[in-house]
Amino acid sequence: QVQLVQSGAEVKKPGASVKVSCKASGYIFTSYGISWVRQAPGQGLEWMGWISTSNGNTNYAQKLQGRVTMTTDTSTRIAYMELRSLRSDDTAVYYCARDQQVELGYFDSLGVWGQGTTVTVSS
Amino acid sequence: DIEMTQSPDSLAVSLGERATINCKSSQSVFYSSNNKNFLAWYQQKPGQPPKLLIYWASTRQSGVPDRFSGSGSGTDFTLTISSLQAEDVAVYYCHQYYSSPLTFGGGTKVEIK
Repeated sequence: QVQLVQSGAEVKKPGASVKVSCKASGYIFTSYGISWVRQAPGQGLEWMGWISTSNGNTNYAQKLQGRVTMTTDTSTRIAYMELRSLRSDDTAVYYCARDQQVELGYFDSLGVWGQGTTVTVSS
Repeated sequence: DIEMTQSPDSLAVSLGERATINCKSSQSVFYSSNNKNFLAWYQQKPGQPPKLLIYWASTRQSGVPDRFSGSGSGTDFTLTISSLQAEDVAVYYCHQYYSSPLTFGGGTKVEIK
């Protein structure tokens, strides 16, 4: 079945970096883009950015520009999200989510989600 | 950025009754070239990732019960649960994917009265 499985929880100190992985299975990896969405404790959903799995093109939320990098490894079917210069307000559950439809040339709803990775930033 | 405003923040509905959630976008999310509204609805239960219910404003995701329906166009949208079931207790989010940054509404918590 179509599935996204994310890496485990992380605890980081302020100023450090974190890299979260998202392994896809059950579909053609390079046919669907992947977004990253985070959710701070007790809060709503925040879109971080999107990556094309076919050509590596990215689109990042302006507020995270310069701190976030999204990449993919098509040989292993894994998407990565690295966030640098971590602050306490980066503490959140981080989700990867697959586009609902085959890459269309525009943004899409998010049809398949990973289980989430908790990132805690604390000194 | 397109701001998504949901109302109400929470609602309590009796089992079997109708629940209605509204979502308003700060600008139109209708794309005339494909005649579609770039608006989705998600359901999130505690400790779980969001689940896609509705996309293109009114297309139900495969496997979603038909008591869930979406309507609206342009800037005003509605998610309706026609007959609330106990398993529908959750937070519901609207989401625009018309333009970057993609944005979500603040969420509506649905409980049983």
